[in-house]
Parts: sequence; structure tokens; C-alpha cells
Amino acid sequence: GAVVSQHPSRVICKSGTSVKIECRSLDFQATTMFWYRQFPKQSLMLMATSNEGSKATYEQGVEKDKFLINHASLTLSTLTVTSAHPEDSSFYICSARDRGTGFNYSPLHFGNGTRLTVT
Amino acid sequence: AQSVTQPDIHITVSEGASLELRCNYSYGATPYLFWYVQSPGQGLQLLLKYFSGDTLVQGIKGFEAEFKRSQSSFNLRKPSVHWSDAAEYFCAVGPHSGAGSYQLTFGKGTKLSVIP
Repeated sequence: GAVVSQHPSRVICKSGTSVKIECRSLDFQATTMFWYRQFPKQSLMLMATSNEGSKATYEQGVEKDKFLINHASLTLSTLTVTSAHPEDSSFYICSARDRGTGFNYSPLHFGNGTRLTVT
Repeated sequence: AQSVTQPDIHITVSEGASLELRCNYSYGATPYLFWYVQSPGQGLQLLLKYFSGDTLVQGIKGFEAEFKRSQSSFNLRKPSVHWSDAAEYFCAVGPHSGAGSYQLTFGKGTKLSVIP
């Protein structure tokens, strides 16, 4: 089945530094990838939609200058948390849609998430 | 605006017992409906989906869900729960249209605990 690889699975960084999270579709091409943030005991909150070759679309309240998204190829999207602060500590999950299976019948495939801890 | 409600935050069942997880949605048209499962520290795995047709859909791991338009519900069921089913379960709704970015709206999840 379709596999989405997310790396790293865990990262600890110091306040003020930047962290890059990668999301790769291993066996399919993903025109669109999504980035979610999940707080403890909460649901997934969509942060932004990443489209290959164009600028990401951010949800209301998400700082685009803080959460930089790059979708340079059909198999890779990256999320960079810039100047991280402790309140950015969270579980970040990416997902991708297989462009090859048709829009209306293609479910999302999720990565295993990245646990970010900012000290 | 679309929304998904999972009324039960935490459910505990005995192994071998039947299970039903509730999901209600609010949507302006016929939605696409999904159930995902998340193990601790992991991403989400698709259990099943409903697009159209038969309102009773079968998924992986012995799960099934029934779409009831009149009740705006899409409850997840399993006749006999296994200890390995302990996880967090999320119901999600997505747009029916082919346009747009195909975003999903998730419920807050139901944590399932299984007693041996």
C-alpha cells in the first residue's frame, strides 16, 4: 500500500533554533500534501496545504513565516519550524494524496508523525 | 462549516465484546466519511471510507461502519474486540466535490481501552 515516510520521528531542539521535518511519499506521487498539528488528547488541526510547485495555503491563525513549507517535488514536502519556542512543542503529522488514483476516491495516507520538543 | 463530533472521549471494553464508536457530522452536502486509527506516537491508518452506494462499509481489521443520512451519523462497529484494537479512533469528513484541496475535518477522537 501507499507509504508516507516522515522524518525525524522525534526531535528536541533549543528555543530560537529551527527544525526541518520531511514528508516523503515512497511509492506514489503526491500533488498535494497536508501538514497537521496534534495537541495531547486533541484532534488533528490542519495547518497548511502544500501543493507541488506552488506556495502553500495556510489555515487561519497559522503563521506562514514561522512554519515554512516547501513542496519542491512530487514526493517531498518539508515543514520548517523557524525560531522555535516551547509553545511550538507538539506532534506534527503530514499526509499525502496519491495523484494517480483519481481525486474523488483517493484517501489520505499519513506519515507516522514527528514529536517536537522545544526546550 | 463542516464539523465532526465524537461524543465519547474514552471507551473501555472487554476483549471479545462488541464495540460501537459514535460519530456525528455536520455538512452542507453529502460528504465523504472516514475512520482512522492512531496507535500511540504513530500516524493515522485508514480503517474504512464511505463515498457512495451501500451505506454499510467494510474495512480492515474486521471493522465496519454504517452511514445513516437521516441521523448524520457514521458509527464504527466491530463484533469482537481484540486487545490489539486499543488505540485512538478518529472520524473524519471531507468534501464531495472534485474541486479544492480535499481537506479533511477530524473529530476529537475516541480512545479505546481493552480489558483482557
